Amino acid sequence: SAVISQKPSRDICQRGTSLTIQCQVDSQVTMMFWYRQQPGQSLTLIATANQGSEATYESGFVIDKFPISRPNLTFSTLTVSNMSPEDSSIYLCSVTREPRGYTFGSGTRLTVV
Amino acid sequence: RKEVEQDPGPFNVPEGATVAFNCTYSNSASQSFFWYRQDCRKEPKLLMSVYSSGNEDGRFTAQLNRASQYISLLIRDSKLSDSATYLCVVNRPGAGSYQLTFGKGTKLSVIP
Repeated sequence: SAVISQKPSRDICQRGTSLTIQCQVDSQVTMMFWYRQQPGQSLTLIATANQGSEATYESGFVIDKFPISRPNLTFSTLTVSNMSPEDSSIYLCSVTREPRGYTFGSGTRLTVV
Repeated sequence: RKEVEQDPGPFNVPEGATVAFNCTYSNSASQSFFWYRQDCRKEPKLLMSVYSSGNEDGRFTAQLNRASQYISLLIRDSKLSDSATYLCVVNRPGAGSYQLTFGKGTKLSVIP
């Protein structure tokens, strides 16, 4: 399975600021996914990032709030913009190279104060 | 009805016990089913895929009942290291079947 390096692992940010999370995969993958896991909740898909095209966002998530870059087949970033305490969550990137199961990055634990 | 529903637990069981988790899913068109394990403050990791005929991996057995839209995970001879949250995961039909829907998870604590 793929190895994913995600950073930062955690951060504490002031409200109104932005944080960019990076994910680096050890091999080329077509699709990368960004998830959010709020405390006590299941994982919720934010968007699917394809190389060479705009990300596809799920209902309730918009590009202005969560801009995504996918400059090549091994790297993606997710920015959490204009943060509020409600954005405090764990953010996870993931990949699949086959239609069965995902591999996840180790997650970014974000606290907005 | 939620897309993927699980009993949140917690399930507190002694070492050596057998424990079963259940999960129901709402979309009958789903084709891929998985159990993931998530340790505290860690990312989810694939435990096993679930096949129509049922499948076993060591102490773990997964079953799928398409008619009832029901998935189960059985853990035999529980170990302390089995303590974790177990996530039932189902693919979202369409969208190339690459998108997954996660249950909230069932928390298991194996007690010495």
